[in-house]
Amino acid sequence: KAGVTQTPRYLIKTRGQQVTLSCSPISGHRSVSWYQQTPGQGLQFLFEYFSETQRNKGNFPGRFSGRQFSNSRSEMNVSTLELGDSALYLCASSLETVNSYEQYFGPGTRLTVT
Amino acid sequence: KNQVEQSPQSLIILEGKNCTLQCNYTVSPFSNLRWYKQDTGRGPVSLTIMTFSENTKSNGRYTATLDADTKQSSLHITASQLSDSASYICVGTPLGSARQLTFGSGTQLTVLP
Repeated sequence: KAGVTQTPRYLIKTRGQQVTLSCSPISGHRSVSWYQQTPGQGLQFLFEYFSETQRNKGNFPGRFSGRQFSNSRSEMNVSTLELGDSALYLCASSLETVNSYEQYFGPGTRLTVT
Repeated sequence: KNQVEQSPQSLIILEGKNCTLQCNYTVSPFSNLRWYKQDTGRGPVSLTIMTFSENTKSNGRYTATLDADTKQSSLHITASQLSDSASYICVGTPLGSARQLTFGSGTQLTVLP
């Protein structure tokens, strides 16, 4: 089975712009979670989608949003980018609820905001 | 508030030596505890998952232990290799799908030849 794929792998944006990141989960997985990882804060949970519904959300401002499609692929959008949004954004997929099942991470998208 | 604390923050060992990483957690209600290995610039990879009823679980040279009474876990790496150089992250999983996983800040392990 193919693993979790994320596109693009690297992205450079300017402050104020918006960005959309994409995640394709492992075939058959219905749960997709998104995380932000920075050197100072470590891994922080953004949100989880399950069967096209947002099931759980972390403590991030409304500029961060996401969605999941019927084929379980997910996108994450960040509007009005700030310098502090520079980070590695990781997507992980799980068969069912991430709390009960193993989750598999993608390679991440490295976002740099200048 | 759910928390996961890891120690040490960083560790340097020589190739072939053993090491133990520590994790203290306060996650309630508790479902399971996970250890991940993350190479620089890559996504984390699962090493072990343990429920509260499991005391130990091995994955090759990696052995995780869990003491649910003291809420402590450790990851022991045997006969370290250069490829073990990575960040090791402990994750507390709460019971119930509506609760968030709680990540530790990780231990950065460097294995020197």
